[in-house]
Amino acid sequence: NAGVTQTPKFQVLKTGQSMTLQCAQDMNHEYMSWYRQDPGMGLRLIHYSVGAGITDQGEVPNGYNVSRSTTEDFPLRLLSAAPSQTSVYFCASSPMWGEKGDTQYFGPGTRLTVL
Amino acid sequence: KQEVTQIPAALSVPEGENLVLNCSFTDSAIYNLQWFRQDPGKGLTSLLLIQSSQREQTSGRLNASLDKSSGRSTLYIAASQPGDSATYLCAVPGSGGGADGLTFGKGTHLIIQP
Repeated sequence: NAGVTQTPKFQVLKTGQSMTLQCAQDMNHEYMSWYRQDPGMGLRLIHYSVGAGITDQGEVPNGYNVSRSTTEDFPLRLLSAAPSQTSVYFCASSPMWGEKGDTQYFGPGTRLTVL
Repeated sequence: KQEVTQIPAALSVPEGENLVLNCSFTDSAIYNLQWFRQDPGKGLTSLLLIQSSQREQTSGRLNASLDKSSGRSTLYIAASQPGDSATYLCAVPGSGGGADGLTFGKGTHLIIQP
């Protein structure tokens, strides 16, 4: 298994540009999520999905869209990039969540800079 | 809202020492608690997952304990090695049925001196 993969690893955008951060997992996990990690702020949840066709907002969803058309893929779209979105983005997946909680597997991250 | 605090923020110790990292959380109604390791420029690797019904979990030189009633967890690292140098994060599921992701502490940056 490749686990959780993310592309690209690095990206530089100009303010106002849009892009999609890709995330895929080959472990047949139902639960997937996106976090951003900022110095002094820790990791914060952006969006999550409990299965194909189901998504919901996390703590910091503004400026981001997600969709989950397949179990494997969970792309994160930046609609109009802003400097405040400069961050490291992590995708994670897990077989179960909540009271049936299970280990979360994280991807290697995408380092995004918005100029 | 759940808040997770980790103390100390940074720790530097000589190789071979045993050490304890601390994690506290404000809402004791958690399903589980996870400890992660993050190397510079890398993603997070899960080290240990403790279910709410458990008191501790062990993996090799690592031992994590959980005291829900006091809102605390500790990660004990025995016989530390330079390869243990990393940032250690603890995290608990959100209160919204646990599906709304994890709430993370800001981590303890650990340096093991050779």
